[in-house]
Amino acid sequence: QSVLTQPPSVSEAPRQRVTISCSGSSSNIGNNAVNWYQQLPGKAPKLLIYYDDLLPSGVSDRFSGSKSGTSASLAISGLQSEDEADYYCAAWDDRLNGVVFGGGTKLTVL
Amino acid sequence: EVQLVETGGGLIQPGGSLRLSCAASGFTVSSNYMSWVRQAPGKGLEWVSVIYSGGSTYYADSVKGRFTISRDNSKNTLYLQMNSLRAEDTAVYYCARLEGFIRYYYFDYWGQGTLVTVSS
Repeated sequence: QSVLTQPPSVSEAPRQRVTISCSGSSSNIGNNAVNWYQQLPGKAPKLLIYYDDLLPSGVSDRFSGSKSGTSASLAISGLQSEDEADYYCAAWDDRLNGVVFGGGTKLTVL
Repeated sequence: EVQLVETGGGLIQPGGSLRLSCAASGFTVSSNYMSWVRQAPGKGLEWVSVIYSGGSTYYADSVKGRFTISRDNSKNTLYLQMNSLRAEDTAVYYCARLEGFIRYYYFDYWGQGTLVTVSS
């Protein structure tokens, strides 16, 4: 049971837009920045979004993040087949003095 | 260029011990917060431990008292000593650099991971 809650899977057609939700609590998302990681099959996770809505250098602007209260969302527009991956939200947790992750969402591009 | 390379994984019997290493290049381990994150086969990411630049350490409840995170500044290397291993510790273990500042932490660099299998 992960501390942050994500849908296990989402799917959408190419060139469409999809959003992935992430729900937490006041000790994590409510009080700390949310980050998103993309994990391609067989690869290490890669930073996708940090500080709720910032894109690291080299990440496509088709990806965007937002946060409100104790929930956050990742949006991917103009879906491409190479976006098929697992996506994880994460945030620092003040009670645990560590990082908490969502359970991950598997994106399928139909 | 920042690089993290984990080694030390393998097959170990329940109750055994293993030490993972993470050799860093392109930055100084002791000046950064460093973490271990694991991923059981077919499962999600789970944070394991962190060591602050000042030396403080914290652990997930699932490994507290069994795992120890440390670093060797002269070798610019992070370690994870794992004792009393259980089948549920079977996972790919990643080391990662934790960047940012209070309330704004994120993992900016990850290693390729090393697989630990606990089985008789």
